Order: sequence, then C-alpha cells, then structure tokens
Amino acid sequence: AQSVTQLDSHVSVSEGTPVLLRCNYSSSYSPSLFWYVQHPNKGLQLLLKYTSAATLVKGINGFEAEFKKSETSFHLTKPSAHMSDAAEYFCVVRIEYRDDKIIFGKGTRLHILP
Amino acid sequence: NAGVTQTPKFQVLKTGQSMTLQCAQDMNHNSMYWYRQDPGMGLRLIYYSASEGTTDKGEVPNGYNVSRLNKREFSLRLESAAPSQTSVYFCASSERQGGNTIYFGEGSWLTVV
Repeated sequence: AQSVTQLDSHVSVSEGTPVLLRCNYSSSYSPSLFWYVQHPNKGLQLLLKYTSAATLVKGINGFEAEFKKSETSFHLTKPSAHMSDAAEYFCVVRIEYRDDKIIFGKGTRLHILP
Repeated sequence: NAGVTQTPKFQVLKTGQSMTLQCAQDMNHNSMYWYRQDPGMGLRLIYYSASEGTTDKGEVPNGYNVSRLNKREFSLRLESAAPSQTSVYFCASSERQGGNTIYFGEGSWLTVV
C-alpha cells in the first residue's frame, strides 16, 4: 500500500532564511510525486511535480524538490523564505498502476518570522 | 473554462439527514476523487474513480457512497449524516497519466449539527 509521511507538522523560519519541508513516501510501484500549497481560506495550488524525468524539480515561487529513490524522500526546499510563503504544504503521492490512487500527507504548516 | 465544479458550497445538516455533494469536470478526465479535509489530518481520500463505471474505496469510506454517473460527474452521498462528518470536502479530477496535474474544486463546507 502506498503512504506519504510529512515529518513536521509545523516549521518556523525567519524571513530570508532557507526552507526545508520533509516528505517520505512508501510505494510498491514507481510513483509520481507532487507538492501542493494551500494559503489560509484558499484552494490548493500546484507547486511542482516529479514524474520520473529529472530528479531535481523546480516549481513556482522559487521552490524546488529532489526525488531520492534510495531514501524514498521528496523534500521541498527554498533558498530564501518570504512572508508570502506562510501557508500549509502538502506532499502527494500518485500510483497509476491498476487504479489511480492519490494520497496526501497530513500537511506541514510553514510559519515565517519577521 | 470551469474546471472542477462542486455544489453546494455550504450546507448545514441535522444528524441523520441525507445529502449529496455534486461534482462535475469539463476537462474530459478519466480519474475523479473525493477528499475530506480536517485540521491536522490533511486531505483524506474517501472514494475515487479511475474511469467511468468504476469506483474504489479510499482511506475513510465509512458513512459515504459515491456514483460515477458519467465521465463528467462524480457524486458523494451521505446517507445518514453524523457530526463526525463535519468537514470541508474537495472533489478533484485528473487525466490518468502519473504526471498530470490534479485539479481541485473550491470545496464544500459541510456542518452536521
């Protein structure tokens, strides 16, 4: 069975410092992986996705993520946090084999300190 | 281009009442999904449908039923609503290839009193 674990429920960083949001997944088959962001009282927005091409994936707003198969990880990073990055971030795993199940992690709330 | 449309946006139900959340997409996607979002729990998969005519249980199917009426529409039914079903519900759709973007509706806020 597939699963996705976001290792931190809350992360606080100062504005201008790096961001690291951690995600590990479990899957018997090659997954596609996504990061989505949800700002307060807003809908879900795609940040980036991994689909078995390049292992380092660049997304919107300066975010990027690296797929590491040996570690079953897909951590999200950004070199310099901005106040507007304060939101909840979801790591998502998709397995297309046989059916097309898409599972979300529990989310990481990112707080940006001035 | 409407994308994924959910109705109703807000609903208050009494315990034991039934209701159906409607979802329609106009992107000709094969796969459709229903999730519920609760604080600290992320989005949990209730049911999904990988193609017209098929449905599968997700992580939290108890208390819900679904119908994939046609390729466009995927409805979620609460037969006898319970306060534990108070949540925000999201419908989603995607073309069935792993890397394709998942599109979400705007959400349906359901309160069961």
